[in-house]
Amino acid sequence: EPEVTQTPSHQVTQMGQEVILRCVPISNHLYFYWYRQILGQKVEFLVSFYNNEISEKSEIFDDQFSVERPDGSNFTLKIRSTKLEDSAMYFCASSGQQTRGYTFGSGTRLTVV
Amino acid sequence: RKEVEQDPGPFNVPEGATVAFNCTYSNSASQSFFWYRQDCRKEPKLLMSVYSSGNEDGRFTAQLNRASQYISLLIRDSKLSDSATYLCVVNSGGNQGGKLIFGQGTELSVKP
Repeated sequence: EPEVTQTPSHQVTQMGQEVILRCVPISNHLYFYWYRQILGQKVEFLVSFYNNEISEKSEIFDDQFSVERPDGSNFTLKIRSTKLEDSAMYFCASSGQQTRGYTFGSGTRLTVV
Repeated sequence: RKEVEQDPGPFNVPEGATVAFNCTYSNSASQSFFWYRQDCRKEPKLLMSVYSSGNEDGRFTAQLNRASQYISLLIRDSKLSDSATYLCVVNSGGNQGGKLIFGQGTELSVKP
């Protein structure tokens, strides 16, 4: 079964440092997403990406965040200057059709210290 | 009103029990609906889509009532392996790349 692959599985970073979270979506999917889940809380939408541009973003996705699809396979989330409150599980997802369920990657656990 | 609201849980049931989860959503323009399952510290995994006509997949039955903006999931003959958090998820609308809105989840624990 096709998978969404995320790396690294766990990243520890110091406050103020930049981090890049990487994702390889399912190859024939067209829509790509980042979500996050703070420990004990619900899964929250960050951003959606289609046709090489952001199609929607949430209030959480401020100027500290950016996304990029640098080549035909990778999809990255960059946090420019991490804060303690950025500590969370970050999930990448992709979908082929909007009305079908999305496939999530196994996540990157980001810990900001 | 929360965008997607679920029973608070947790539900603790014996093996073989039937358990029902309820969910309401606030955006009447929502177009697609799902139940996901999430195991501890893992990614959400699609359990089933939910259609207006109702749909069944083995022991799992999902129902959607658009007029009431209500979604349900019924699990029959529950197994130990059904223990997880069940997430009610709504696609926010018709634009390309429509975002998924998650409920806070209802935890299910099935005991021997």
